[in-house]
This record gives sequence, structure tokens and C-alpha cells, in this order.
Amino acid sequence: QLVLTQSPSASASLGASVKLTCTLSSGHSNYAIAWHQQQPEKGPRYLMKLNSDGSHTKGDGIPDRFSGSSSGAERYLTISTLQSEDEADYYCQTWGTGIVVFGGGTKLTVL
Amino acid sequence: EVQLVESGGGLVQPGRSLRLSCTASGFTLGDYAMGWFRQAPGKGLEWVGLIRSKAYGGTTEYAASVKGRFTISRDDSKSIAYLQMNSLKSEDTAVFYCTRERRHGSGSYYPDYWGQGTLVTVSS
Repeated sequence: QLVLTQSPSASASLGASVKLTCTLSSGHSNYAIAWHQQQPEKGPRYLMKLNSDGSHTKGDGIPDRFSGSSSGAERYLTISTLQSEDEADYYCQTWGTGIVVFGGGTKLTVL
Repeated sequence: EVQLVESGGGLVQPGRSLRLSCTASGFTLGDYAMGWFRQAPGKGLEWVGLIRSKAYGGTTEYAASVKGRFTISRDDSKSIAYLQMNSLKSEDTAVFYCTRERRHGSGSYYPDYWGQGTLVTVSS
């Protein structure tokens, strides 16, 4: 069964970096995922598609502070030089035959 | 600039129908698949379904939770995608988002633009 697992919460200080993790279920470690950001009271925004080899395709206007990487079944989103507007929910998403799956989301708090 | 604007949400009684519209601008709707997602109050994101572009047959796919009740269609000449929702249940209460879908190499899709959402409340 295709499942994505995310930690419910994360926090980091203003100006620091944070690395969020999305883990693919067993047998699906070669899947690509997408990362989406949802700021409070707003619709989601596509950040990037991240392949198993770590290559990624960012959305229009996404700052260089956002980057992605992969290792085995883990997919990472790294945000450097954290700003207050980065405080948001971050969702990873993947897809299979006739299905689309989301992780439960990570709520990022910028201290 | 790509923009997606949903409309048609509101309060509806259980068992009734509602049609949502997604008006696209900044790109040629006919060149893309379009998707619908939803988010129940305080919950995460859930896929509803998608419609492929005419170049890929214009076919649709749906989540199991809505299959047989919801129908996605498109009018490329008007740059509008639709979500027809029938036999609505209280558990369909959510903010509904439309998306532009980018084709993945495997033939699957993922959203690369989202609308701002429209709230559907199913309650008597």
C-alpha cells in the first residue's frame, strides 16, 4: 500500500535552516513526490517535484532557499534562511495507478 | 500569470447536488489535465479526481470516496473545468481546490498550480 509518512510538527529559528522528511512506504522507494506549502488560511502552493535521484523541478517563483533531496525511501525538503512567511503546513504527495496520496503534513513553526 | 478561480461553493442539504466551476487564465486550459482536491475543516489534503486533456483522451479518474457521485468535466473554449457533485453527504464538507496538472513521465499527474478554494458545507 502506497503511504507517505511525515512528522506532524517541526520548528526552527528565524534565519536558520530546517529539513523536513517524507518517507515512502516499503516497496515504493523509487517513487517521485511533490512538495506543497500551505500558509495559514490560504490555498496550497506547489513547491517542487522531487525524483528518487534527488533531481527536482521547482514551481514558478519558488526561492532558491527551498531545495529537495532524496535518500532511499526518504524525500527531503530543506528550507534555508528561514523567514516568518515560511511558517506553514508542508505536504508531500505522490501518485500511483488511479490514486493520489498525501502525507499527513508537517506544521512548521518559525521561532 | 497562471490563475485558477473556483466558484459555486455554499451551503447545501444532504442528498442534494452542487456544481463547482474553476475558471483558468494565464495558460491554455486545453493543453493541460485539471484536477480537484479537497480539505475538510482542520484536516489534510485529499485528492478528488482529474480530467485529462483532449490530447490524452479527456478521460477522468476519481477517488474511491467520490466515484459514482462526482463528475469532472471541462469546457476548453471557456477555459473552465467543472466538478458536479451529486448525493452530497455531510462528510463532503470541505474547501474544494482546483489544480492545473503537470504530466509525470510515468503518465501520472501532479498539481503545479492551485486555486484559492471554495467552501462547500453539507448540512441540513
